[in-house]
Amino acid sequence: DVKVTQSSRYLVKRTGEKVFLECVQDMDHENMFWYRQDPGLGLRLIYFSYDVKMKEKGDIPEGYSVSREKKERFSLILESASTNQTSMYLCASSRSGFGNQPQHFGDGTRLSIL
Amino acid sequence: AQTVTQSQPEMSVQEAETVTLSCTYDTSESDYYLFWYKQPPSRQMILVIRQEAYKQQNATENRFSVNFQKAAKSFSLKISDSQLGDAAMYFCAYRSVYGGATNKLIFGTGTLLAVQP
Repeated sequence: DVKVTQSSRYLVKRTGEKVFLECVQDMDHENMFWYRQDPGLGLRLIYFSYDVKMKEKGDIPEGYSVSREKKERFSLILESASTNQTSMYLCASSRSGFGNQPQHFGDGTRLSIL
Repeated sequence: AQTVTQSQPEMSVQEAETVTLSCTYDTSESDYYLFWYKQPPSRQMILVIRQEAYKQQNATENRFSVNFQKAAKSFSLKISDSQLGDAAMYFCAYRSVYGGATNKLIFGTGTLLAVQP
């Protein structure tokens, strides 16, 4: 089974802090994704990566950056955390290709910015 | 741009009964993939079922089946013989085949399903 591991289930940080959310997958997937999940808004894509050191902005990249130095690891960075970034963050990975490959998700990190 | 709409924020079903969750989407593309994902409370999101738009036959996975109406751009999920473990948030998602190999998904806002014993 594919395993996507997010480093923290719950995280509390202060406004202005630099926050790192880590995600590791064990299936050698080319694609990795960071989503934000908010009630009534569903999942919104922040950033995704299709290869090491390659990244593209999703729908809501403002205030975030990402890093993918190794294929199995994809990090989401909040440069200067703000209270409106309090949310559930989900990481996902998938195989590359043009078929119907599903995305595989981590357990999520519930981040609170005080 | 494609959009996915789930018009039922919450649904409820009695154990052992059947429930249908609605999903509509908007696209100008002729070929695409559709997915239903399940997110149980405080647990990992998992794939329930998927459908290729070029296939006329509706996908089925055990108690889960879809009603795919391409002309109407509708993709509903039917859960038969509902069980307590089916209680979860359900998300409908769309994938374009023209978006390259990056496998980006567009999600709906979700339907929270409660199962009553």
